[in-house]
Amino acid sequence: NAGVMQNPRHLVRRRGQEARLRCSPMKGHSHVYWYRQLPEEGLKFMVYLQKENIIDESGMPKERFSAEFPKEGPSILRIQQVVRGDSAAYFCASSPGDWLHEQYFGPGTRLTVT
Amino acid sequence: DQQVKQNSPSLSVQEGRISILNCDYTNSMFDYFLWYKKYPAEGPTFLISISSIKDKNEDGRFTVFLNKSAKHLSLHIVPSQPGDSAVYFCAASADFGNEKLTFGTGTRLTIIP
Repeated sequence: NAGVMQNPRHLVRRRGQEARLRCSPMKGHSHVYWYRQLPEEGLKFMVYLQKENIIDESGMPKERFSAEFPKEGPSILRIQQVVRGDSAAYFCASSPGDWLHEQYFGPGTRLTVT
Repeated sequence: DQQVKQNSPSLSVQEGRISILNCDYTNSMFDYFLWYKKYPAEGPTFLISISSIKDKNEDGRFTVFLNKSAKHLSLHIVPSQPGDSAVYFCAASADFGNEKLTFGTGTRLTIIP
């Protein structure tokens, strides 16, 4: 049973370019969460999605960031016009959405903006 | 506003002894607490959790204690092993139906052989 998959594992973008981060949840999991970890900090919640719905985007910057979880395919976190401050590790987690709160994390995508 | 705090950035423990990692929270709406372990360049790995209706949960070498009145929880690892060396994150969630996690800043545990 494959775990949460994220790709790419490392992404380098120049300022002003777009970054697309992909997440495939564990089999049977319909809930996806995105978190960001800045250097020397804990993980910060960004957005919570279920298939075709954004449930909570309270942690996501209002501009340049968007997320989707289509009916088919992986969840995508999109960052437009990246800036140096976007350099971080971005983690995706999934859960089955039952009464258990445990989330299972992918290996992360390390975004570097030059 | 740091709602989940881990005040010890690092901790060193002799192999075989007990490791105790602490976590404090401020939001009384949190009703579920989790500990994750993280190695460099990897995602967090779920370790153990506890609901607010309990004060203790055990799983093998790992025990989590919750003191709701003090808004404090701790993770005990006994006996500590070299493979336990990692960063440990405390996390909390509220609101069944939206289990977004609020994380602490982590404690780096080093087990000394």
